[in-house]
Amino acid sequence: QKEVEQNSGPLSVPEGAIASLNCTYSDRVSQSFFWYRQYSGKSPELIMSIYSNGDKEDGRFTAQLNKASQYVSLLIRDSQPSDSATYLCAVYSGYSTLTFGKGTMLLVSP
Amino acid sequence: GAVVSQHPSRVICKSGTSVKIECRSLDFQATTMFWYRQFPKKSLMLMATSNEGSKATYEQGVEKDKFLINHASLTLSTLTVTSAHPEDSSFYICSARDSGGSDRSKQYFGPGTRLTVT
Repeated sequence: QKEVEQNSGPLSVPEGAIASLNCTYSDRVSQSFFWYRQYSGKSPELIMSIYSNGDKEDGRFTAQLNKASQYVSLLIRDSQPSDSATYLCAVYSGYSTLTFGKGTMLLVSP
Repeated sequence: GAVVSQHPSRVICKSGTSVKIECRSLDFQATTMFWYRQFPKKSLMLMATSNEGSKATYEQGVEKDKFLINHASLTLSTLTVTSAHPEDSSFYICSARDSGGSDRSKQYFGPGTRLTVT
C-alpha cells in the first residue's frame, strides 16, 4: 500500500515568514514528486515538481527531496496571505496514478 | 500550455436523472485521464483512470455502472453519473496526462464540476 503522509495543519505563519511544508512517502521506488496548491472550492494547481535529490527553486518556492529519508518538502519564502491554501504532496511510483497526501492547510496572517 | 477544461462547472439535477461531465485537454493529447471526487473539507479520492480507446479502470468501491466513463478521443473524456442521488453531490475533478510530454507522471487538473443532486 503506497502511502503519502502530510500533517493536516493548519500551519499558521505571519506574512513575510517562511512556510515549511513536509511530506513523507512509503514507496522507495518513487520517481517523481509534486506539490499542488488547492484553494478552497477550487481544483488543485501544480506548483512544483522535483525528481532528484536536493533543492529546486522556482520564485518564492523551493522543493527539497531526500530519497534516502523518503522525504519531500516545500518552502515558501516571503509568505503572502494569498498563499493561504491547502498544499497537496503527490508521488509517482511508476504505476499509472499519482498517490496524493491528504494535504496541509496553510494560513498566512497579514 | 497544459490546460484542461471541464464542462459544466456547476450542475444541479433532480434525483434519478443522469448527468454528463466533460473533460478536455485543450493544448495536448491525453491517452490517460483521471476522475476524482472530493467532498467538502476532505481529500481527493481517485474514482477511475480513463484510457483512450479502452475501458476505464475503476478504483475499489466505485460502481462502474453508476459512473460511466468514456474516453473516445485523445482530448476528451466524459463521466456520466447515472441515476444520481443526493449522496452523489460532490466536486468532481478530472486530470490529464500529456501523452507527448517528457514527463509522463505529471498530471494537470481541470477546474472541477460541482454537482448538486436535489
